[in-house]
Amino acid sequence: DTGVSQNPRHKITKRGQNVTFRCDPISEHNRLYWYRQTLGQGPEFLTYFQNEAQLEKSRLLSDRFSAERPKGSFSTLEIQRTEQGDSAMYLCASSKGRSNQPQHFGDGTRLSIL
Amino acid sequence: AQSVTQLGSHVSVSEGALVLLRCNYSSSVPPYLFWYVQYPNQGLQLLLKYTTGATLVKGINGFEAEFKKSETSFHLTKPSAHMSDAAEYFCAVSGYGNKLVFGAGTILRVKS
Repeated sequence: DTGVSQNPRHKITKRGQNVTFRCDPISEHNRLYWYRQTLGQGPEFLTYFQNEAQLEKSRLLSDRFSAERPKGSFSTLEIQRTEQGDSAMYLCASSKGRSNQPQHFGDGTRLSIL
Repeated sequence: AQSVTQLGSHVSVSEGALVLLRCNYSSSVPPYLFWYVQYPNQGLQLLLKYTTGATLVKGINGFEAEFKKSETSFHLTKPSAHMSDAAEYFCAVSGYGNKLVFGAGTILRVKS
């Protein structure tokens, strides 16, 4: 069990630029989740995949955000035309396929918009 | 719909004292409940979970929590605080969809 891996750990970019984050889940986990955490708050759900299928998206996920999980392995989260309000920690988690299984989190990608 | 309320954004205890972090939930379906801990600039680490069965759940690092359906609570306790317990703690609830709904977190400070 090598854990959930996220890259990069930190990303600093100018407003209006596009950014992409990567998440590698625990190998035997078929569910993968993205959350966003702002300072002083708990994580908020963005979207999740079961294998390669994106099954649910939060209303927080505006049309500037897109997530993919090709072949049901790693996932990417892209933010286009970044805004100041996108500054946050983006967390990825994975779990086995049953609803009562706990989610295991990566260390996150901290995004700072200049 | 589901929600979590964590009472007390900051809790301070002395080393060796009882730790009690409060969590109340709301869920329209039988809930699955979790406690996670987060250290600065890190992700969340699972402390314990309640799914079904025994209502007193034991987790890692000496923590435990009791599911009380009548009170819609899932408070986290530890008999004796250690300096290494200083961190932020999150209570979370999930239902059939498995996405987690988190509380706002409680920062635990341990005084020597």
